[in-house]
Amino acid sequence: DTAVSQTPKYLVTQMGNDKSIKCEQNLGHDTMYWYKQDSKKFLKIMFSYNNKELIINETVPNRFSPKSPDKAHLNLHINSLELGDSAVYFCASSQAPGQGLREQYFGPGTRLTVT
Amino acid sequence: AQTVTQSQPEMSVQEAETVTLSCTYDTSESDYYLFWYKQPPSRQMILVIRQEAYKQQNATENRFSVNFQKAAKSFSLKISDSQLGDAAMYFCAYSSNTGNQFYFGTGTSLTVIP
Repeated sequence: DTAVSQTPKYLVTQMGNDKSIKCEQNLGHDTMYWYKQDSKKFLKIMFSYNNKELIINETVPNRFSPKSPDKAHLNLHINSLELGDSAVYFCASSQAPGQGLREQYFGPGTRLTVT
Repeated sequence: AQTVTQSQPEMSVQEAETVTLSCTYDTSESDYYLFWYKQPPSRQMILVIRQEAYKQQNATENRFSVNFQKAAKSFSLKISDSQLGDAAMYFCAYSSNTGNQFYFGTGTSLTVIP
């Protein structure tokens, strides 16, 4: 009965590889997010989707591409991985604006290590 | 643009004592939410408490309570009877009720001393 799940939880890969992180929520939320948390714990929003539509696309390298096949899923694909991509990536979901309480529910995070 | 500021990078508290974590925010909106999230070493982000801006009454969840000062744009978290399990990074967050963006502070690392 996990609310927001992410796979994998740990990902170790070499520079130049392509990898994907999957996210699913069973809360019925319309809005999903990807965050990057760096080594200093700072949370930076990367993308946000509302009903499968991209609504926030912060300044991230275009090697990062989100995909939302339906409103319960938001995957993150990363091409040509670099050392600086090493971080913890969080998926989150919330109600859409004006639809009720706006707290975000987070997945467990994916620790990506690029060697 | 909205900003959230946590001016205390680190705090410590003796077990069973009370500690207050500070948060200020900047907004021109009137309809918004404020949150405190806890991130223990397990890295899971856990919602601790929420406050709707239109409510004057301060939110309370067991040992956690907030002091919401709307005019001053201040939203502090008070943890009473601190326990070892409270040791974590605490993030203050802002969300507009009409916009899509969430804004997080830089976090306060809380240590609980036995």
